[in-house]
Amino acid sequence: DTEVTQTPKHLVMGMTNKKSLKCEQHMGHRAMYWYKQKAKKPPELMFVYSYEKLSINESVPSRFSPECPNSSLLNLHLHALQPEDSALYLCASTPSGRNTEAFFGQGTRLTVV
Amino acid sequence: KNEVEQSPQNLTAQEGEFITINCSYSVGISALHWLQQHPGGGIVSLFMLSSGKKKHGRLIATINIQEKHSSLHITASHPRDSAVYICAGSVLEKLTFGTGTRLTIIP
Repeated sequence: DTEVTQTPKHLVMGMTNKKSLKCEQHMGHRAMYWYKQKAKKPPELMFVYSYEKLSINESVPSRFSPECPNSSLLNLHLHALQPEDSALYLCASTPSGRNTEAFFGQGTRLTVV
Repeated sequence: KNEVEQSPQNLTAQEGEFITINCSYSVGISALHWLQQHPGGGIVSLFMLSSGKKKHGRLIATINIQEKHSSLHITASHPRDSAVYICAGSVLEKLTFGTGTRLTIIP
């Protein structure tokens, strides 16, 4: 299994809603990432988990809350988002985090209304 | 200033043409990734290079460490190669992305 699976594929949420994005990999990778990508722009790093611990937070607003319950699973909890948070949210994993091939999920297309 | 610079930004070619996309990167980047993204879709890793050359099917990636430059070549291009190609540099745990090259192959 060489896939990173993200659910849901599409999500529409209101500004007062609470929702979660899920990312799963069964490759034994120990580093997992959340990226945000706006249209026609490169991905922007949000969070890195290394060995299930948060190692990088790129000054992301607290309305985004990551969670890594185990080495295969990464969640992104969303609360009180703004319309400008609408974007493609990509999850990625790497075997160890440094100089290793990155595997990306198909992304969750989020629309905040 | 971005640590990874990519060119061209857009490229349109006829089916069958040989395609080259270039990437220059700065000091501190220890490996270079070539990624492919189809419209509205996720990202697929094509290559990771820290030296030399790699080939997979019609795709070839090269890297010159001294010049801090990498190229992605596509031979016998096909309309299904139409996508955005992104080079990204590894800096510790992070990837620093170039702005991407939008490739369109016309039948």
